[in-house]
Amino acid sequence: KQEVTQIPAALSVPEGENLVLNCSFTDSAIYNLQWFRQDPGKGLTSLLLIQSSQREQTSGRLNASLDKSSGRSTLYIAASQPGDSATYLCAVVDGSSNTGKLIFGQGTTLQVKP
Amino acid sequence: GAVVSQHPSRVICKSGTSVKIECRSLDFQATTMFWYRQFPKQSLMLMATSNEGSKATYEQGVEKDKFLINHASLTLSTLTVTSAHPEDSSFYICSAKPLAGAYFEQYFGPGTRLTVT
Repeated sequence: KQEVTQIPAALSVPEGENLVLNCSFTDSAIYNLQWFRQDPGKGLTSLLLIQSSQREQTSGRLNASLDKSSGRSTLYIAASQPGDSATYLCAVVDGSSNTGKLIFGQGTTLQVKP
Repeated sequence: GAVVSQHPSRVICKSGTSVKIECRSLDFQATTMFWYRQFPKQSLMLMATSNEGSKATYEQGVEKDKFLINHASLTLSTLTVTSAHPEDSSFYICSAKPLAGAYFEQYFGPGTRLTVT
């Protein structure tokens, strides 16, 4: 059974720092991996999607990498800003799925202090 | 494009009553919609996969008679929490897979906060 784990659970950094969020999954047979942002009491915003054949994706100050063989992904946030404060979730579409359902990690709650 | 709405955004109901939550794809057709539940400070847990015109597929441990799902059209799925209890209080989020989209594509609604008193 696929399981997704994120560490750390919470992270607090001063504004301007670069930071890395980690995600691991137990079964390397995935279709893709996505990183989402969730603000308190809100739905999800998709940040980056990495296909199983890809190694990384970039969008602005965000860079996500994928090492499928080791079951790991990282989300790198450069020059963090207070507006980046949110919970970041990673999720995979398991290779055994025929519906495309997502399996989520527990999330990392990020606080960027001004 | 690719907007998913949920209604209501917040609902408070008394224990023992039923409440219906709607999930609509506003500008695309969706054969598949997913229903998730999120408890405070926890991640999203898939409850069921809703397919237009057929019965929903429930995840292990989710009571299908308590969480009734209807996907009557290509743009609407509903989740009815029957005989709600305080432990059903949670954040319910739906997502929709476009009919014409890629296999992995799905779009999330803004969520519904259910509080059972």
